[in-house]
Amino acid sequence: NAGVTQTPKFQVLKTGQSMTLQCAQDMNHEYMSWYRQDPGMGLRLIHYSVGAGITDQGEVPNGYNVSRSTTEDFPLRLLSAAPSQTSVYFCASRKRESPYNEQFFGPGTRLTVL
Amino acid sequence: AQSVAQPEDQVNVAEGNPLTVKCTYSVSGNPYLFWYVQYPNRGLQFLLKYITGDNLVKGSYGFEAEFNKSQTSFHLKKPSALVSDSALYFCAVRAPLYNQGGKLIFGQGTELSVKP
Repeated sequence: NAGVTQTPKFQVLKTGQSMTLQCAQDMNHEYMSWYRQDPGMGLRLIHYSVGAGITDQGEVPNGYNVSRSTTEDFPLRLLSAAPSQTSVYFCASRKRESPYNEQFFGPGTRLTVL
Repeated sequence: AQSVAQPEDQVNVAEGNPLTVKCTYSVSGNPYLFWYVQYPNRGLQFLLKYITGDNLVKGSYGFEAEFNKSQTSFHLKKPSALVSDSALYFCAVRAPLYNQGGKLIFGQGTELSVKP
């Protein structure tokens, strides 16, 4: 049971480049989400999904796209990277039935946009 | 609107001393509160949660948290700190399900440093 996995661990992009951050979980969790972590601001929700085929925007969705074709995978796409997207990105998942369940977090992707 | 505040950016404690990391919250309705810990270059790990019941909640690694409804606080505590407890601690509150699927709303984090 690997939990929540993320790739890559580190990435450097140039302004305007696009890329996909991968996230997968093997716990059959319906709810998956992407957060970004910035110093002094905690974690902020980018996008989330309550099940395969269903996605929705979080607090800071601009510049990011997501899709959920399977229960296991929830990739995050940066369409045209900007320096403001330099951050640490975390994917998380939990069972949908109970909102009281804790979320499980991946190890994170540290992204730098030059 | 739901929000969480961690008033201290950093807490310094000597090993063996008790530690407290503060958290206050603002919610409409019943609060569902969580503490997570982040070690350097790692993801967040769940420590404990308050849903209902006893105001003192016990969690992983000897941590506990005290829920105080009148003061809208959920402070994290440990009777005797270890150097290995040094990490970044986040308090979070669960939003209602109609609010972005019941997302977690995080405080800004408190850096705990335990010196030998």
